Amino acid sequence: DARVTQTPRHKVTEMGQEVTMRCQPILGHNTVFWYRQTMMQGLELLAYFRNRAPLDDSGMPKDRFSAEMPDATLATLKIQPSEPRDSAVYFCASAADSVNTEAFFGQGTRLTVV
Amino acid sequence: AQKITQTQPGMFVQEKEAVTLDCTYDTSDPSYGLFWYKQPSSGEMIFLIYQGSYDQQNATEGRYSLNFQKARKSANLVISASQLGDSAMYFCALREEANSKLTFGKGITLSVRP
Repeated sequence: DARVTQTPRHKVTEMGQEVTMRCQPILGHNTVFWYRQTMMQGLELLAYFRNRAPLDDSGMPKDRFSAEMPDATLATLKIQPSEPRDSAVYFCASAADSVNTEAFFGQGTRLTVV
Repeated sequence: AQKITQTQPGMFVQEKEAVTLDCTYDTSDPSYGLFWYKQPSSGEMIFLIYQGSYDQQNATEGRYSLNFQKARKSANLVISASQLGDSAMYFCALREEANSKLTFGKGITLSVRP
């Protein structure tokens, strides 16, 4: 049963700390998306990769957020330093390289910055 | 310009009735895909239905159908015979071939009344 795996599922951290969220995409999917979901903004696209190359990270605050794909089985989203306004649910999704196929979502990481 | 517009803030429907959730999109890419996802209170993102820009027929998937009007750039989701379990947030999304980006609307909350 192929699925996107995100860790951790929940994270509570203090303001100023570094947070790293991890995502294992479905094997064979070459496109990986990172989204942030809040009540006010809905599902915002932060960054996405195709064949591990970043295509667009314009949705991310560059000064504190970074996204990487060190290999085809791992995508990371890092926040340093974290701020209370970063509190949200962060989703990773992966998809095959075609507009005809749906993206599969992980369970999300619920981040709370206090 | 917004790529995906979902303007209905919240919808109510009586159990067993049909309901239409609106979605309009904006793209100059001739090749694209439109997707609907459901997000119940548990938070997971569940893929429901897909429509390709070149598809001649409206997509159907069980109780879900998509009213695709290409000239008007609308892709409304129709849920027939609503069930209590249909109560959730519903997101419309656009994936463009030129850049593989997958963009979501702000979502619509659907509540099914017994």
